[in-house]
Amino acid sequence: EVQLLESGGGLVQPGKSLRLSCATSGFTFSHYAMAWVRQAPGRGLEWVSSIGNSGSTPFYANSVKGRFTISRDNSKNTLYLQMSSLRAEDTALYYCAKDTSSWYDYWGQGTQVTVAS
Amino acid sequence: DIQMTQSPSSLSASVGDRVTITCRASQVISDFLNWYQHKPGKAPKLLIYGATSLQSGVPSRFSGRGSGTDFTLTISNVQPEDFATYYCQKTFTTPYTFGQGTKLE
Repeated sequence: EVQLLESGGGLVQPGKSLRLSCATSGFTFSHYAMAWVRQAPGRGLEWVSSIGNSGSTPFYANSVKGRFTISRDNSKNTLYLQMSSLRAEDTALYYCAKDTSSWYDYWGQGTQVTVAS
Repeated sequence: DIQMTQSPSSLSASVGDRVTITCRASQVISDFLNWYQHKPGKAPKLLIYGATSLQSGVPSRFSGRGSGTDFTLTISNVQPEDFATYYCQKTFTTPYTFGQGTKLE
């Protein structure tokens, strides 16, 4: 059974940093690209970042470019999102998703990030 | 960046109805268009990928059509469990933008 479990969310002050993790199981992690998607309160889904199966070719939404870094550890079957210079508008539920040939067929339950002083 | 315009933003329906949601891209995206269902407190669920392919396990009352710039998601014979928010997403080039969402109520 494919499982994705996000962790690392919490309450953080503006300007601070936070690292999210997404632990996976049930599939060969190193064979698939992965992605982060978020949903701010009362808003729709927003694609945040994607990374290729080997860790190359990271892509970012303009709203997070230069502040967020996506990475992965294929030996640990885990995806990461390092978030820095956090802003109030980064407050959202963050999902990780498995990318199968340009569609997201499995998603985690999400981890909440709240940026407030 | 390619913009995705999804309509309507909300849709009222009854059990047994047939409903259609539209997604339009500002440029040609071939068939790199996916549809998801999202319920509060749940992970989004893939319904349709590649514009027309039904994801395994998804009921056949869901169907997708289109190519190029204009796409539709149709739910025939709406069931109680279908009341949710639906999103299109393009994956032709980054950013892999989602549409604004359509709340089926």
